[in-house]
Amino acid sequence: GEDVEQSLFLSVREGDSSVINCTYTDSSSTYLYWYKQEPGAGLQLLTYIFSNMDMKQDQRLTVLLNKKDKHLSLRIADTQTGDSAIYFCAERMDSNYQLIWGAGTKLIIKP
Amino acid sequence: IAGITQAPTSQILAAGRRMTLRCTQDMRHNAMYWYRQDLGLGLRLIHYSNTAGTTGKGEVPDGYSVSRANTDDFPLTLASAVPSQTSVYFCASSPGLGETQYFGPGTRLLVL
Repeated sequence: GEDVEQSLFLSVREGDSSVINCTYTDSSSTYLYWYKQEPGAGLQLLTYIFSNMDMKQDQRLTVLLNKKDKHLSLRIADTQTGDSAIYFCAERMDSNYQLIWGAGTKLIIKP
Repeated sequence: IAGITQAPTSQILAAGRRMTLRCTQDMRHNAMYWYRQDLGLGLRLIHYSNTAGTTGKGEVPDGYSVSRANTDDFPLTLASAVPSQTSVYFCASSPGLGETQYFGPGTRLLVL
């Protein structure tokens, strides 16, 4: 079946850039999403990218999409303590519009 | 604007008991979803509803049922809870099926 994979943990120093990676399997997915989950809270949409785009930038966030390799990344510039959370990658299946989720990457900020 | 609310926030339940998790949205979204989140597995779709009066099965529907009597409410029922249903349950909604989803705060359920 379709699958989305992410590393479980990423540790970065405060002020550095964080790059969270994700690979997916459905080459026909039209939308790919990044959600953020802070401790004890629900998921909030961070950003999404259409499959016909290579890059999308929104303030400190940059999303890069490599369709050939089915690789999606989220870069957070100038990482702050408030960025500490779990980041989920998800692809939308065009066959049934359901989202397939990665397991989430826990971003740990070192002072 | 409340968005999506879920109740209860958390619950400890004896195995074999019946439990209904409540979800209400005030955004007039047509589509609603129930997910469970388990450590290391991400989110898995239990059931969804495209519009009031219709429901569909997700990836892990067994042991759960849903109903969608109106646009705002989408309750999830565990008819006879088992320990493997210990999880965090999230309700979500979107304007239409396949559109961007917005999540509730979650319900933490422990089945003993």
